[in-house]
Amino acid sequence: DQQVKQNSPSLSVQEGRISILNCDYTNSMFDYFLWYKKYPAEGPTFLISISSIKDKNEDGRFTVFLNKSAKHLSLHIVPSQPGDSAVYFCAASGDKLIFGTGTRLQVFP
Amino acid sequence: DTGVSQNPRHKITKRGQNVTFRCDPISEHNRLYWYRQTLGQGPEFLTYFQNEAQLEKSRLLSDRFSAERPKGSFSTLEIQRTEQGDSAMYLCASSEGRANEKLFFGSGTQLSVL
Repeated sequence: DQQVKQNSPSLSVQEGRISILNCDYTNSMFDYFLWYKKYPAEGPTFLISISSIKDKNEDGRFTVFLNKSAKHLSLHIVPSQPGDSAVYFCAASGDKLIFGTGTRLQVFP
Repeated sequence: DTGVSQNPRHKITKRGQNVTFRCDPISEHNRLYWYRQTLGQGPEFLTYFQNEAQLEKSRLLSDRFSAERPKGSFSTLEIQRTEQGDSAMYLCASSEGRANEKLFFGSGTQLSVL
């Protein structure tokens, strides 16, 4: 069973516009969520996280929103840059991280 | 470089051969994790260690797979009698072992079984 789901396998956004990546989870016991970014042939790199006691966390161009009642989180990137092109994974934390299937973001000029 | 180090970066082997991968975590990290990633999927949890103790193993980890962390520092992941379905990127990650913390990943070992 997929406890963390990313239903959009890909997203294409113009440079300078906002990118919105979505993630849904099923286990209400999850209390910490993370976003990772991955380039080809490299390991995932931590991007931003949020605790379940918050509904928003911001770090520069990156903001993560959490809606606990809907079991949904989203990552906003604004403005999007070509260097943001990568695969983005959301993950939920228990004693280990459980990852979604990823969304490939392409930012074009 | 004090990041997580994995060797080799790439491994090509024939079906039925044994392979072993190594992971050196960040030195002060107590926890070490192994994940596997196949094309189009997110990283899937395999196993993790708290110091030298292996605390959890996924059902994905068949009896052909064995992981060790003998002195609580580096770890090895061995796959015996490899199958084509074992082809994947094997990722190692480490953390301090506190609640709700991020994991630091290595660059992975890409295994191709021919």
